[in-house]
Amino acid sequence: GDQVEQSPSALSLHEGTGSALRCNFTTTMRAVQWFQQNSRGSLINLFYLASGTKENGRLKSTFNSKESYSTLHIRDAQLEDSGTYFCAAHTEGADRLTFGKGTQLIIQP
Amino acid sequence: GPKVLQIPSHQIIDMGQMVTLNCDPVSNHLYFYWYKQILGQQMEFLVNFYNGKVMEKSKLFKDQFSVERPDGSYFTLKIQPTALEDSAVYFCASSSDWGGSNYAEQFFGPGTRLTVL
Repeated sequence: GDQVEQSPSALSLHEGTGSALRCNFTTTMRAVQWFQQNSRGSLINLFYLASGTKENGRLKSTFNSKESYSTLHIRDAQLEDSGTYFCAAHTEGADRLTFGKGTQLIIQP
Repeated sequence: GPKVLQIPSHQIIDMGQMVTLNCDPVSNHLYFYWYKQILGQQMEFLVNFYNGKVMEKSKLFKDQFSVERPDGSYFTLKIQPTALEDSAVYFCASSSDWGGSNYAEQFFGPGTRLTVL
């Protein structure tokens, strides 16, 4: 089965609201990255975490390696936040990223 | 943030031909990667490369694939010969350190969309 289970697969929010995306890991992961893939297909680095919580503007991410999950919280959503969000985890003992299937986020006015 | 460049952005070729995808990684990075994303699907790891050698590769990295970085120039992915199922977007990434360190953040290029006819 998939090592990185990402949910939800799609999410629609109104401007100004917020929500959380989640990734569960079925094997030990050493670190996690979160990306936004924009309409042109480019991957924008949002966070890299080996543990704990980081915050950047309206985004906050947590990685709990012991309980095998990571979350990305978005608050006060803006139209430009629309896109597909991916989590990707660094597998313990390997030098590769394993990606989730992505969350398609649509922000409505 | 750190920028990875990829050339070309699009490539259309006939099945059986050779194609080379070029990546210009972040200037002080030493670890390089290729990933493949088929339209509408998740990104999948192909190969990593360090100090002139392939360190790990996945089942997707077929015998027709090869990578190199001659003399610090572009990091390249060559497919020879191409097949229809090679149509995808190929992303290059680079990192300043290996995956087991605390500085292993990977930075991605904008991708090359490869269409094999």
